[in-house]
Amino acid sequence: DAGVIQSPRHEVTEMGQEVTLRCKPISGHDYLFWYRQTMMRGLELLIYFNNNVPIDDSGMPEDRFSAKMPNASFSTLKIQPSEPRDSAVYFCASKLSGGEDTQYFGPGTRLTVL
Amino acid sequence: DAKTTQPTSMDCAEGRAANLPCNHSTISGNEYVYWYRQIHSQGPQYIIHGLKNNETNEMASLIITEDRKSSTLILPHATLRDTAVYYCIVLPYSGGGADGLTFGKGTHLIIQP
Repeated sequence: DAGVIQSPRHEVTEMGQEVTLRCKPISGHDYLFWYRQTMMRGLELLIYFNNNVPIDDSGMPEDRFSAKMPNASFSTLKIQPSEPRDSAVYFCASKLSGGEDTQYFGPGTRLTVL
Repeated sequence: DAKTTQPTSMDCAEGRAANLPCNHSTISGNEYVYWYRQIHSQGPQYIIHGLKNNETNEMASLIITEDRKSSTLILPHATLRDTAVYYCIVLPYSGGGADGLTFGKGTHLIIQP
């Protein structure tokens, strides 16, 4: 199994630009999570989906952030417009329901907003 | 807020057992103890979890005290590749569903050659 796939691995953009991060969960997993990691705040849950439906988006910091899951094999996290304080590593994770609460993380996308 | 307390950092000699403590004094009866680790520049990785019995898998052992207020993750023969931040997470049983993970600051374990 390829595991959780994220793209791009690195993204450098300028303030005000739109940024789209992508995630492909492990095949068959029906839960998908987006996390953000910064030095100041550590790892934080942003939003998660079950069967492509957003369940809890209380961690999304602002309206500039949006996430979608159009199908079981793809999710996006969009920031528009981006700001320097959005610089962080963004992780996607997936999980299979009915089993144990083990989440499988992707390698992350390192976002730098100049 | 994280429900756990862990030392900020620990050192361990290569080949020795690494024992990482975690305090979770407010744990509830239906809450599990999960351990994840994050190697530098990688995503977090699941290690092991338990409810009240001691658990062992190919990566580690988990010892939970009888009152469940603390636990210890044991890496029996630490290698340099075990250098990472280790997170102890308390998570209620989700009945097969899921909740997001709440990460604290974890313990930075450094394996010394």
